[in-house]
Amino acid sequence: GAGVSQTPSNKVTEKGKYVELRCDPISGHTALYWYRQSLGQGPEFLIYFQGTGAADDSGLPNDRFFAVRPEGSVSTLKIQRTERGDSAVYLCASSLGGTRSYEQYFGPGTRLTVT
Amino acid sequence: DAKTTQPPSMDCAEGRAANLPCNHSTISGNEYVYWYRQIHSQGPQYIIHGLKNNETNEMASLIITEDRKSSTLILPHATLRDTAVYYCIVSGQVRGAQKLVFGQGTRLTINP
Repeated sequence: GAGVSQTPSNKVTEKGKYVELRCDPISGHTALYWYRQSLGQGPEFLIYFQGTGAADDSGLPNDRFFAVRPEGSVSTLKIQRTERGDSAVYLCASSLGGTRSYEQYFGPGTRLTVT
Repeated sequence: DAKTTQPPSMDCAEGRAANLPCNHSTISGNEYVYWYRQIHSQGPQYIIHGLKNNETNEMASLIITEDRKSSTLILPHATLRDTAVYYCIVSGQVRGAQKLVFGQGTRLTINP
């Protein structure tokens, strides 16, 4: 079956611009997560959704970052006024709820480069 | 979430068992041990998890010490495709979605 997909796979933008990164989770997965991964580091948690609501957004670094999941499926991570330090691979993952929530399925990521 | 400590890198010969250690001395009673791996340029992949009993699935075995302060992931017959960064993560209860706190992991290289 189809896995988690993320678009675009690569995004190059100029400092100060606005970007949107999209995540399509596995159908039926109620939980959705965003992580970002800098070169040579492990993924860093940003936010997770249970259904349409953000259940934990404690990892968002500042108010330039925002994410939505309006219909409980597709999610968009939005970054305003991008900075060079935002350059990273942004990973999305989804999981079933309840007793199967331990297994998160990750997408291939979006590589964001801010010039 | 409890912190984990892993060796930064390990090597293993193809066909041999790869044993990856993890220390998590501050683990609390309701925290599980999870293992994920990340093959180059891909997203992380779930391998296995456990609370206090040893666990085995089609990918690996997880051995957790009786005091739960450390664990070992065992890949019984390593292949070249097992070359990856392996992350040991300690996190809260399985029920309900949980954020994963990744450390630096162990870079495992399987040599022919």
